[in-house]
Amino acid sequence: GAGVSQSPSNKVTEKGKDVELRCDPISGHTALYWYRQSLGQGLEFLIYFQGNSAPDKSGLPSDRFSAERTGGSVSTLTIQRTQQEDSAVYLCASSPAPDQPQHFGDGTRLSIL
Amino acid sequence: TQLLEQSPQFLSIQEGENLTVYCNSSSVFSSLQWYRQEPGEGPVLLVTVVTGGEVKKLKRLTFQFGDARKDSSLHITAAQPGDTGLYLCAARASGGSYIPTFGRGTSLIVHP
Repeated sequence: GAGVSQSPSNKVTEKGKDVELRCDPISGHTALYWYRQSLGQGLEFLIYFQGNSAPDKSGLPSDRFSAERTGGSVSTLTIQRTQQEDSAVYLCASSPAPDQPQHFGDGTRLSIL
Repeated sequence: TQLLEQSPQFLSIQEGENLTVYCNSSSVFSSLQWYRQEPGEGPVLLVTVVTGGEVKKLKRLTFQFGDARKDSSLHITAAQPGDTGLYLCAARASGGSYIPTFGRGTSLIVHP
């Protein structure tokens, strides 16, 4: 389809393992955002990309979290040495330009055992 | 950091009732969006408002942006079970960051 695609849709892993989450934005959208949503909480901003660069990484909770974007398109969010508190839904959004409304994927539900 | 306060946090009503949810802040915003999120899915954009006092209608949903661009409301007329979901507002501050601030949402359940 033409929407934002995220994979996997669900991920269950053991504490201490590394995980990689993928986001395919809408074609032509230059801005890409990662958020984290925990049960009963709002959307917690993680990182923003404009093209391949990340002008704002202020929301990454620790140095275990990193993200990259290549070719101005696909982005991956990597969490190293996962902890139980990392369990949440990770949402990706893209927009045609930074000041335009965002279009969201359906998220990756991450569960750390 | 701009804060967006949404109220009420939870709302449980019967089909056919009317309701209003609110999104308030002390900051002035250049634009404000309303999203609806259903379980297991990402938020879906409903509307964007940019002009103070602006009113937009989407079928049974009426959105209003406050005159001072600090607050917004969403009114649903004759709610249907299909309106069930989490309603989120998001806004960017005037002259501020490209990163929108999201409210915590209003969780709406409409019973048949």
